Amino acid sequence: KQEVTQIPAALSVPEGENLVLNCSFTDSAIYNLQWFRQDPGKGLTSLLLIQSSQREQTSGRLNASLDKSSGRSTLYIAASQPGDSATYLCAVRPGNTPLVFGKGTRLSVIA
Amino acid sequence: GAGVSQSPSNKVTEKGKDVELRCDPISGHTALYWYRQSLGQGLEFLIYFQGNSAPDKSGLPSDRFSAERTGGSVSTLTIQRTQQEDSAVYLCASGTDRTFGAFFGQGTRLTVV
Repeated sequence: KQEVTQIPAALSVPEGENLVLNCSFTDSAIYNLQWFRQDPGKGLTSLLLIQSSQREQTSGRLNASLDKSSGRSTLYIAASQPGDSATYLCAVRPGNTPLVFGKGTRLSVIA
Repeated sequence: GAGVSQSPSNKVTEKGKDVELRCDPISGHTALYWYRQSLGQGLEFLIYFQGNSAPDKSGLPSDRFSAERTGGSVSTLTIQRTQQEDSAVYLCASGTDRTFGAFFGQGTRLTVV
């Protein structure tokens, strides 16, 4: 059974810092991995999607990497801003099956 | 539409009543998912529709929960005889095939009193 773990569960950093969020999964047989952002009381916003054949994806200040063989992904946020404060969720797609989510990392960026 | 739409955005119901939650997926998306997020918890998979295939109902927590998808588009999640532990945010997502990402609606916050 696929399990997704996100570390740390919570993170607080001063504005301007670069930071890394970690995601690990137990079964490397995935089709893709997706990072989401969730603001309090809101739905999920897709940030980056990495196909299993890809190593990384970039969007603005965000960079996500994928090492499928070791079951790891990282989300790198450069020059963090208070507006980046949210919960970040990692999810893997095992196949024609539902996404499996981690419990998320709650990020606070302090001005 | 531009995105996944869910209604209502908030629902307060009395224990024992039935509720229906609606999801309008992105046009053309063949896959539709329902998840539940309880306070402070991760996302719990409920049910998954993919095209004309039989839905994957393996995540439904009890027989009080059911869902249907009419015409391969709109989906309704029904909870019968609601209990207080059903209080959560119910999220719907849609997508295409397995190589495509999932796109979520804003959710329905259900409170059972």
